Amino acid sequence: DAEITQSPRHKITETGRQVTLACHQTWNHNNMFWYRQDLGHGLRLIHYSYGVQDTNKGEVSDGYSVSRSNTEDLPLTLESAASSQTSVYFCASSELAGSDTQYFGPGTRLTVL
Amino acid sequence: GENVEQHPSTLSVQEGDSAVIKCTYSDSASNYFPWYKQELGKRPQLIIDIRSNVGEKKDQRIAVTLNKTAKHFSLHITETQPEDSAVYFCAPRGYNFNKFYFGSGTKLNVKP
Repeated sequence: DAEITQSPRHKITETGRQVTLACHQTWNHNNMFWYRQDLGHGLRLIHYSYGVQDTNKGEVSDGYSVSRSNTEDLPLTLESAASSQTSVYFCASSELAGSDTQYFGPGTRLTVL
Repeated sequence: GENVEQHPSTLSVQEGDSAVIKCTYSDSASNYFPWYKQELGKRPQLIIDIRSNVGEKKDQRIAVTLNKTAKHFSLHITETQPEDSAVYFCAPRGYNFNKFYFGSGTKLNVKP
């Protein structure tokens, strides 16, 4: 069955380290998104992509970057991890522009010490 | 970007009662209005959605109503059950066709 996966599911790292969170989907969806979820804030959009080689900043993009070299993957990189980036990160995907349903991955819990 | 507010932030009801959660948004160009359910430790999942050309949509015990003039839409759950206990998010699609702005969530507790 088609699905969307994230790895690792849990990660503990130290301030200043570079961290990459993986997101992989097998639906062949063009659109992919990264959100962070913190208590009291719901889900906030970090970066999104509409297709290969396309990336765009969301509302909380500072300190994060993404790259889209193929349809299936959108890795999220924290250039220099900060304690404020301790959060749960969700990846999501949806079909072509105009298709509405977002499918979420299982999430990655990141702790920055 | 879109300004989205959800009310109430927490809601506690007795099993069998109805629950209503309201979402207000700011972008008059919004045209798609979904509700997501997130159980503890799980991913958000779409439970119902409505588009701007429809005023109400129902799926068994859940329904969504839309008032585009007032810029709000609501989730209605009837005959609540303990398994309805979760956090519910609205996520109207704003001016950017593929960007969704999530509300801060409503924690629903259904007491048996």
